[in-house]
Amino acid sequence: EAGVTQFPSHSVIEKGQTVTLRCDPISGHDNLYWYRRVMGKEIKFLLHFVKESKQDESGMPNNRFLAERTGGTYSTLKVQPAELEDSGVYFCASSQDPGAVYGYTFGSGTRLTVV
Amino acid sequence: LAKTTQPISMDSYEGQEVNITCSHNNIATNDYITWYQQFPSQGPRFIIQGYKTKVTNEVASLFIPADRKSSTLSLPRVSLSDTAVYYCLVGVFSGGYNKLIFGAGTRLAVHP
Repeated sequence: EAGVTQFPSHSVIEKGQTVTLRCDPISGHDNLYWYRRVMGKEIKFLLHFVKESKQDESGMPNNRFLAERTGGTYSTLKVQPAELEDSGVYFCASSQDPGAVYGYTFGSGTRLTVV
Repeated sequence: LAKTTQPISMDSYEGQEVNITCSHNNIATNDYITWYQQFPSQGPRFIIQGYKTKVTNEVASLFIPADRKSSTLSLPRVSLSDTAVYYCLVGVFSGGYNKLIFGAGTRLAVHP
């Protein structure tokens, strides 16, 4: 079974530019989550999709961040325009069980550096 | 939201048993306790999850006392490859879904 795949693994962009991160969850997993860790801080929840619907987007920092999951398969997280404080590692995770009794499966993350 | 407290770091040697204790005094009735492991440049990896008493799998054991205000992850006979950050999480059920709240984690270093 393929795991959660994130692309790109690294991205370096200039302040003000746009970046789009992609996450391919495990096939059949309806639940998809985005988390991020900014420098020196803890891993923070961003949002949760159930299929193509946003179940919880309480962790999205501001309106420069836009997450989509068209068709309930892969998801994208767009940052526009990027700011320096957006630098960090963005993780995607998926789960089949909404209560995640058997745990989430995380991807390896996308390291975003805004210069 | 239930907050977790765990040691920032621990050191051990190969072959030893490692016990990492986590405090979660404000755990709610519906909350499960979940432990994740994270290696550098990788995402967190699920280790074990429990609600009460003891849970054991091929990787670790999780001990949860009756009051559920703490839990202990036990790693038997650690090896160098167990060097990682270990997170204790208490899930928040919101509308039937589990939102994981990460703390700072415990950085475990296993020495030869």
